[in-house]
Amino acid sequence: EPEVTQTPSHQVTQMGQEVILRCVPISNHLYFYWYRQILGQKVEFLVSFYNNEISEKSEIFDDQFSVERPDGSNFTLKIRSTKLEDSAMYFCASSADRGYGYTFGSGTRLTVV
Amino acid sequence: ILNVEQSPQSLHVQEGDSTNFTCSFPSSNFYALHWYRWETAKSPEALFVMTLNGDEKKKGRISATLNTKEGYSYLYIKGSQPEDSATYLCAFSTSNTGKLIFGQGTTLQVKP
Repeated sequence: EPEVTQTPSHQVTQMGQEVILRCVPISNHLYFYWYRQILGQKVEFLVSFYNNEISEKSEIFDDQFSVERPDGSNFTLKIRSTKLEDSAMYFCASSADRGYGYTFGSGTRLTVV
Repeated sequence: ILNVEQSPQSLHVQEGDSTNFTCSFPSSNFYALHWYRWETAKSPEALFVMTLNGDEKKKGRISATLNTKEGYSYLYIKGSQPEDSATYLCAFSTSNTGKLIFGQGTTLQVKP
């Protein structure tokens, strides 16, 4: 069964450093998403992306964050200058249809120290 | 602020017991309700997407119902097995832009 692949599974970074979280969505999917879960809290939406543009973003997704689809297969989330509160599990998802049929990756656990 | 609540937070049952969980969501601006099954260190796995009031979906021993007018959905597991142990998440959307609003999940532990 097709999978969404995320790398790395765990990343530790120093506060203030830039990190790039990588995702390979399912190949025929057109819609891409990032979510995150801070430990003990709900999974929360960050951004949706379609046709090389952001479709919607949450209040969390400020200027520190950016997304990119640099080639035909990868979808990346960049955090420009990490803060302690950015520590969370970050999930990538993709779907073939708008609003349905999301497939999630297994997440990247980001720890900012 | 749109909020999704799930209850109970956790549940311990014996193998063979049937169980159910509740997901409450805002009844206005409804687009779709999603259920996911999430095992530790794995990807959340889609179980159901429901869009119409009165929808009922079934997948093996797991089924779900939807009431959009009163803003709730039930997930039922018949004859729980140890492999059903996981966290069950529901998520609500108001549009097709991809923004899912998640509940906090119900963690099910099935003892052999």
